[in-house]
Amino acid sequence: GAGVSQSPRYKVAKRGQDVALRCDPISGHVSLFWYQQALGQGPEFLTYFQNEAQLDKSGLPSDRFFAERPEGSVSTLKIQRTQQEDSAVYLCASSSMSGGETQYFGPGTRLLVL
Amino acid sequence: AQSVTQLDSQVPVFEEAPVELRCNYSSSVSVYLFWYVQYPNQGLQLLLKYLSGSTLVKGINGFEAEFNKSQTSFHLRKPSVHISDTAEYFCAVRPADSNYQLIWGAGTKLIIKP
Repeated sequence: GAGVSQSPRYKVAKRGQDVALRCDPISGHVSLFWYQQALGQGPEFLTYFQNEAQLDKSGLPSDRFFAERPEGSVSTLKIQRTQQEDSAVYLCASSSMSGGETQYFGPGTRLLVL
Repeated sequence: AQSVTQLDSQVPVFEEAPVELRCNYSSSVSVYLFWYVQYPNQGLQLLLKYLSGSTLVKGINGFEAEFNKSQTSFHLRKPSVHISDTAEYFCAVRPADSNYQLIWGAGTKLIIKP
């Protein structure tokens, strides 16, 4: 079946611009995760959804970052007033269980802020 | 707090030679351990995981890892690598008191020399 998909795959934004990154999880997966991966680093946790409920947003780096999953499937990560330090790959993952041992990852969105 | 250290940022190895990718972790609580692989332009894919039981874990593509509690290590091994194993490998831990939080190492690039 289809895996996790993310769009766009690449995004170039001017500093100060708002961006929206989309994640389509595997159908029926309860849990959804967003990670930020800087160049040469491992992923860093941003936020976690169980269905439509955002249970943990402790990793969001500032109040410019906002995530939602209104119907418990597709999720959007929004970054307002982008800064150069926001440049990174944004990864989405989903899992079938609440929490979930095996997280299935999308290919990521590479964001470059100029 | 937990942390994961992958000491080698790159490991070059000749095709058909054995390889070991090192992972050490620090944690005040019990952890579950994971290895993920990221092929070029693809999402992260689970290679293997240790939850409990036998400390030697076998994964996909001929990889295996051994959990050593006294050394706080979870090194990944393959007896004979192929050119198709060229990828970046990430070690991650999940604290036993969390049902979703993953803490990641910085990754090791496996470079296969013909």
